[in-house]
Amino acid sequence: NAGVTQTPKFRVLKTGQSMTLLCAQDMNHEYMYWYRQDPGMGLRLIHYSVGEGTTAKGEVPDGYNVSRLKKQNFLLGLESAAPSQTSVYFCASSVSVLVGTEAFFGQGTRLTVV
Amino acid sequence: AQSVTQLGSHVSVSEGALVLLRCNYSSSVPPYLFWYVQYPNQGLQLLLKYTSAATLVKGINGFEAEFKKSETSFHLTKPSAHMSDAAEYFCAVSDPWGLGGFKTIFGAGTRLFVKA
Repeated sequence: NAGVTQTPKFRVLKTGQSMTLLCAQDMNHEYMYWYRQDPGMGLRLIHYSVGEGTTAKGEVPDGYNVSRLKKQNFLLGLESAAPSQTSVYFCASSVSVLVGTEAFFGQGTRLTVV
Repeated sequence: AQSVTQLGSHVSVSEGALVLLRCNYSSSVPPYLFWYVQYPNQGLQLLLKYTSAATLVKGINGFEAEFKKSETSFHLTKPSAHMSDAAEYFCAVSDPWGLGGFKTIFGAGTRLFVKA
């Protein structure tokens, strides 16, 4: 039972380069999320999706784009990477957004922008 | 908007000692609260959650948390620490968002060190 899978696990980019992070879930969850984790700041929501074909901005969306063409996949893109985007990125999914619903997380992608 | 504050970015205990990780919340609505654990190089996983059914919530691996409305707290405890408990712990609260439903707001995290 894979759950939430993120690829790649590690990446080093040069400033200005672009890349896409892939998140796949096999739990048939409607809701998917991208977070970034920075020391002392916990997890901050970048973008989220409430279903196939939908996306919305979270707390820190600038510099990122997302797409949800298939229900099981949620892609996070960086068009022109900046050192400030050095972080650990987590994808998560949940079956609903009813209060108290648990989120399931991937193992994270460690991105370094030099 | 709801928020959580975790007191202490690092906590160190000896193996066998009591673990106490502190979390205070602010909420304009009845809160729903979570504790997640993150082991090294892994994603977050749910330890326990409070959804108003009982104020003392038991989770996995011997952890429990008590919801205290008067203190706006949801501290995480374990009577006897084990080396395998070394990890980062996140307190979180459900925050209503405009389209309906709730998203999860995370605290900054507390890293637990366990000494032999």
